[in-house]
Amino acid sequence: ETGVTQTPRHLVMGMTNKKSLKCEQHLGHNAMYWYKQSAKKPLELMFVYNFKEQTENNSVPSRFSPECPNSSHLFLHLHTLQPEDSALYLCASSQTTGGFSNEQFFGPGTRLTVL
Amino acid sequence: AQKITQTQPGMFVQEKEAVTLDCTYDTSDPSYGLFWYKQPSSGEMIFLIYQGSYDQQNATEGRYSLNFQKARKSANLVISASQLGDSAMYFCAMRANSGYSTLTFGKGTMLLVSP
Repeated sequence: ETGVTQTPRHLVMGMTNKKSLKCEQHLGHNAMYWYKQSAKKPLELMFVYNFKEQTENNSVPSRFSPECPNSSHLFLHLHTLQPEDSALYLCASSQTTGGFSNEQFFGPGTRLTVL
Repeated sequence: AQKITQTQPGMFVQEKEAVTLDCTYDTSDPSYGLFWYKQPSSGEMIFLIYQGSYDQQNATEGRYSLNFQKARKSANLVISASQLGDSAMYFCAMRANSGYSTLTFGKGTMLLVSP
C-alpha cells in the first residue's frame, strides 16, 4: 500500500449505530487530519494530530471521537449520528503541522450516509 | 482569519485548450502558502501545485502553472493543453503561518473537458 488509505470507502449507518472509520498513511509523516466534505460547502477541518497528540479540535460535536494510536493510524469513531452528518470524510497526512508550505496528502475518503 | 474565494462554480473547456481557474484569497498574515488540489469523482484530493507568498517566480508543475498576483491577492490556476482526464473539481487552499496547520479551502470549481 502507498500513500494514504481509508476504509471503508462507503458506509451506511442508522442513527443509533456505532461505527469507526480508519485511516492509514504509508508516508512516514507525523501529522494526520480528519476533514468533512459536505455537498456545496468548503472542506471543513475536524481534527489534527501531531506526533499522536491532538492539536486541534474544530468545535466538532462529541458524537465524533478521534483516536490516534500512532503516527501512521487515525480513527474516527462515530455514534448516534444525525442525517446531516452524511458527507465525505477525508483523511490527510503531512510531514508535520508546522510551517505554511507543508503539503497535505489525502486519502480517497469514506462516503458516509446516515439514515 | 483566512478566506478563499472561487467565483466559478463550473467551467467548460475543449480538449487541448488552456483554461484558467480563478482564486482570490484574504489574509492579514505576511507569510502564507497557496495550494491547488484536484478532486476527481473518486473522491481523493490530489495535490497539484504550491506557491509561497515570498516566492519570486510563479510556480509551474508540468501543464499546471499558478498565476500569482500578490497585490491583487489572486492565485489563479492555469491548465495548458487540457485533457479529458482533467475533468474534476479543483480547490484552491491556503495556509498562513499564524494559522498553524489549518488549511482553508475554497468551495471549488468543477471543470469539464469536452472532446
